[in-house]
Amino acid sequence: QKEVEQNSGPLSVPEGAIASLNCTYSDRGSQSFFWYRQYSGKSPELIMFIYSNGDKEDGRFTAQLNKASQYVSLLIRDSQPSDSATYLCAFSGGGADGLTFGKGTHLIIQP
Amino acid sequence: AAGVIQSPRHLIKEKRETATLKCYPIPRHDTVYWYQQGPGQDPQFLISFYEKMQSDKGSIPDRFSAQQFSDYHSELNMSSLELGDSALYFCAARDRGAPRDGYTFGSGTRLTVV
Repeated sequence: QKEVEQNSGPLSVPEGAIASLNCTYSDRGSQSFFWYRQYSGKSPELIMFIYSNGDKEDGRFTAQLNKASQYVSLLIRDSQPSDSATYLCAFSGGGADGLTFGKGTHLIIQP
Repeated sequence: AAGVIQSPRHLIKEKRETATLKCYPIPRHDTVYWYQQGPGQDPQFLISFYEKMQSDKGSIPDRFSAQQFSDYHSELNMSSLELGDSALYFCAARDRGAPRDGYTFGSGTRLTVV
């Protein structure tokens, strides 16, 4: 069974600090990894995707992938109150067509 | 830019009624996925279509069926609705020729069964 594990939180971070979100997965056949941000009652919005080991940076966001340890993380620098949302980790591949999502981490940025 | 369009945005049905949800993907996005997200839950994959053929099946109840049409839009048909079917239903689309580009989600349909 393919699984994605995330700490559901809430994770509370002061404004301007670095928020660190982590995700582990069980399927070694997973190929691509995605971080989605979801505001309450809204659809998930793609933040980052990564498929190679190492870091990938996009603005204030950095995704980190370690396939040997089967974890992927998302760092948010200079956290803003508007970053407060649920962050969903997801992966694709391993024979399945759709994305497999984690349960999400609820991030709260404190002004 | 045009995104994945879903209709209706909100739907209220009674138990045992039927409902049809529609999804219109971005042009060139040939693969469509349906997800169900209950309150406080992560999105659960229901079913997917590629080139009008079912490509994968997840936790979709037998009471539900779906199809993709020649213009790539997709419809999720739900019959004998139950209270537990109340959820947000998302459609996502992608270009299978660019598998690493991620999935673009529609704004969702909130179904409430009373």
